Amino acid sequence: GAVVSQHPSRVICKSGTSVKIECRSLDFQATTMFWYRQFPKQSLMLMATSNEGSKATYEQGVEKDKFLINHASLTLSTLTVTSAHPEDSSFYICSASKPGTGYDYGYTFGSGTRLTVV
Amino acid sequence: GESVGLHLPTLSVQEGDNSIINCAYSNSASDYFIWYKQESGKGPQFIIDIRSNMDKRQGQRVTVLLNKTVKHLSLQIAATQPGDSAVYFCAENQAGTALIFGKGTTLSVSS
Repeated sequence: GAVVSQHPSRVICKSGTSVKIECRSLDFQATTMFWYRQFPKQSLMLMATSNEGSKATYEQGVEKDKFLINHASLTLSTLTVTSAHPEDSSFYICSASKPGTGYDYGYTFGSGTRLTVV
Repeated sequence: GESVGLHLPTLSVQEGDNSIINCAYSNSASDYFIWYKQESGKGPQFIIDIRSNMDKRQGQRVTVLLNKTVKHLSLQIAATQPGDSAVYFCAENQAGTALIFGKGTTLSVSS
């Protein structure tokens, strides 16, 4: 159990367009989801925390109007990169959490989305 | 803000050797620590975790040691195999908040 599906795995978009990334918890309800960004040869950097039914909490330096997060249900969170630019090219990874069910169950990661903006 | 760091960026070992990957953390309030393995182009894969009320935890071929006095975490991999080659991250948090990741150590295993 505790599978998180992330889609798409790779996306190439033109500069100025928007891209939506989906994160789904397949076999559990995720009250909290986390979005990370990872540049080449670097660590995962937390972008935002989203709780189902409420606004996301963004980390310092992350533009909330550029990285729109929606967590409208207990199994789906989406990250939309708006007006993408080449510097937004990165590996985006989500993590889903269901507090109270054990730590390893509570921090399951998706397989990541490689975004390339040309 | 506080962050988790690593002592060494790369580690090269021979197949069959034991590997030790280290991590230093700075948040004394952290009560939960996890080691993840990440292969190229993939998401982090859970290896082993430990809570702050423990000093050691063992899994299959892996052991995590926690020294709260010096805020140090280590991952020991026994009989390292080529399939263990990857980047290893430690992560920490407190009370169910988001995991904060360290910088990562690249483990390279040669046969």
